[in-house]
Amino acid sequence: EAGVAQSPRYKIIEKRQSVAFWCNPISGHATLYWYQQILGQGPKLLIQFQNNGVVDDSQLPKDRFSAERLKGVDSTLKIQPAKLEDSAVYLCASHLGGLSDTQYFGPGTRLTVL
Amino acid sequence: GQSLEQPSEVTAVEGAIVQINCTYQTSGFYGLSWYQQHDGGAPTFLSYNALDGLEETGRFSSFLSRSDSYGYLLLQELQMKDSASYFCAMRYSRGQNFVFGPGTRLSVLP
Repeated sequence: EAGVAQSPRYKIIEKRQSVAFWCNPISGHATLYWYQQILGQGPKLLIQFQNNGVVDDSQLPKDRFSAERLKGVDSTLKIQPAKLEDSAVYLCASHLGGLSDTQYFGPGTRLTVL
Repeated sequence: GQSLEQPSEVTAVEGAIVQINCTYQTSGFYGLSWYQQHDGGAPTFLSYNALDGLEETGRFSSFLSRSDSYGYLLLQELQMKDSASYFCAMRYSRGQNFVFGPGTRLSVLP
């Protein structure tokens, strides 16, 4: 089966610009996560969707970050305006749900804010 | 809230056995997962423990003690390709909510 797809793989922007990331999860996976991973740290959850509803966005900086998952399939994460500290890898993961234990991660988008 | 602790770095030689520990604090606990991440790559799932005891998958084993809020990943017959970062991740709700630890960087020396 196809894995989790993400684009773009790399993005360089200047501070105060906006940027958007796209994720297409594994077909049939109801749960989708966006994580931020700063170099040398573990992934930090930004937002979790169950189908097209938000389950947890408690750590999403809502003044600048937004995310949506229309039709419960693919998802976009947007940053507007970007700050220097947003430089990180943005990982999308999907989860089948139920008794499954596994999150499947996409390759990530490496964002550099100058 | 939830938090996990792991050693930041571990070094071992090829062919050896290494144990990576993880302790956690949480108000709700459903299980502990382990993920491997090579530099520049995505995390990949290794194992999951929901109950106390040892789970073995090839050269990798994972252990959980819920009473001690503690788990570990055991890697046997280390190979150079095992050099990577290893993360424990705690499932703290029925709704597939996870929090990741800070990661342990494993270096395997020849």
